[in-house]
Amino acid sequence: AQKITQTQPGMFVQEKEAVTLDCTYDTSDPSYGLFWYKQPSSGEMIFLIYQGSYDQQNATEGRYSLNFQKARKSANLVISASQLGDSAMYFCAMREKTSYDKVIFGPGTSLSVIP
Amino acid sequence: DAMVIQNPRYQVTQFGKPVTLSCSQTLNHNVMYWYQQKSSQAPKLLFHYYDKDFNNEADTPDNFQSRRPNTSFCFLDIRSPGLGDAAMYLCATSRAGRQETQYFGPGTRLLVL
Repeated sequence: AQKITQTQPGMFVQEKEAVTLDCTYDTSDPSYGLFWYKQPSSGEMIFLIYQGSYDQQNATEGRYSLNFQKARKSANLVISASQLGDSAMYFCAMREKTSYDKVIFGPGTSLSVIP
Repeated sequence: DAMVIQNPRYQVTQFGKPVTLSCSQTLNHNVMYWYQQKSSQAPKLLFHYYDKDFNNEADTPDNFQSRRPNTSFCFLDIRSPGLGDAAMYLCATSRAGRQETQYFGPGTRLLVL
């Protein structure tokens, strides 16, 4: 069964510093995708970055990068040069091909950026 | 232009009174999802459609049902809402494929009195 763990319920980071949000997952499907979403207080879900199980390189999107360690089943999000607008909930999600594209979310990490 | 539309944005119902939430999409995506999200929690998958195939989560209460009459529309029916069903309900769509991103609607906030 799919399972996602985010062990940091809350994180603080100084503005302009980098921060790493942890995500570990469990799956027996060799074909899966990992996603990170941001959910600000407004409630919208904002897609940040994607990593595929067969991708050889770590994904990057602007200030976001993903530290993918397949053998350890971890997909940590790194946010560089934090901004005040980065304060939000961050969810790690996983999609399995064998589950008809089912997508489940981890419990989330609340990130607060301090001026 | 809105791509995933949820109506209504806010819904108030009475304890035990059936309620229907709707979701429509202009993206022609074949996968549609319903999530329940309570305050400060992660979205919890209730069920999803892969084309016309309905996939129910094992822990989704029988009180929750869904219909997808065509590609564009999907409905969430709560047969007898309880106080514990008060939450934000999120609809999402995507193309099939492990690399495909989900597109979320703005959600419907359900209040049960």
